[in-house]
Amino acid sequence: AQKVTQAQTEISVVEKEDVTLDCVYETRDTTYYLFWYKQPPSGELVFLIRRNSFDEQNEISGRYSWNFQKSTSSFNFTITASQVVDSAVYFCALRTSGGSYIPTFGRGTSLIVHP
Amino acid sequence: GEEVAQTPKHLVRGEGQKAKLYCAPIKGHSYVFWYQQVLKNEFKFLISFQNENVFDETGMPKERFSAKCLPNSPCSLEIQATKLEDSAVYFCASSPNSGANVLTFGAGSRLTVL
Repeated sequence: AQKVTQAQTEISVVEKEDVTLDCVYETRDTTYYLFWYKQPPSGELVFLIRRNSFDEQNEISGRYSWNFQKSTSSFNFTITASQVVDSAVYFCALRTSGGSYIPTFGRGTSLIVHP
Repeated sequence: GEEVAQTPKHLVRGEGQKAKLYCAPIKGHSYVFWYQQVLKNEFKFLISFQNENVFDETGMPKERFSAKCLPNSPCSLEIQATKLEDSAVYFCASSPNSGANVLTFGAGSRLTVL
C-alpha cells in the first residue's frame, strides 16, 4: 500500500516569510517517484517537481527548494521569501510500481500569503 | 495538442440525471487518468486507461460510473443517476507511459448536482 500524508491543512504567512510544506510518504517499493503540484485559486494543477527514489539530491528552483530524505520518508517543499502569488493549495504525490504507478495524492496544504 | 482538453468546464444536473464529461489527452500520450476532487481536498483516483483498455479501475463506483477511451474520440466519464455527493471537480490527466512520467492535468470539469 502507498500513502502520502500532508499533515498541515492550512498555513498562513505574511509576504516575504519563508515557509515549509511537509510531505511524508509510505511505500514498500524501492523504486518510486515523488511529485509536487500547485493548485492556485483558478483550479488548474501545475506541476512543480518530480523526484525519483534513487536521487536524494536537494533541488532549488528560484525561490522554491525541495528536501528529499529517504531516512525519514519525507519530501518537503520550502518557499523562500513568499509572495501573494504563492497562495494556493499544494499537493504532494507518489507513484510506485507496487501501486501500478497510479499517483496517490496527499490531502493538500492550503498556503495563504498575506500582503 | 499539448494540453489536456476537458469539456464541459461546468455542468449542472438535477439529482437522478445523467452527466457525461469528456477528455482529450495530449497526442501521443498512452495513459489517461480520471480523478475526482471534492471541495479542493484530496484527489480520489477513479480509473485509468492504457489507450482504449482499462488499466486500473479500483476507484470506480461501478454501479453508476462508467468510462471509455475509444480510438479517435475523446475519453468520457459518465455518471448515471447523479447524486448530490457526486458534486465535485473531475480532473483528467494524461501521461506518455505508466512509469515515472509527469501527469499533465486538464483544467477540470465542475459537476454540480442539485
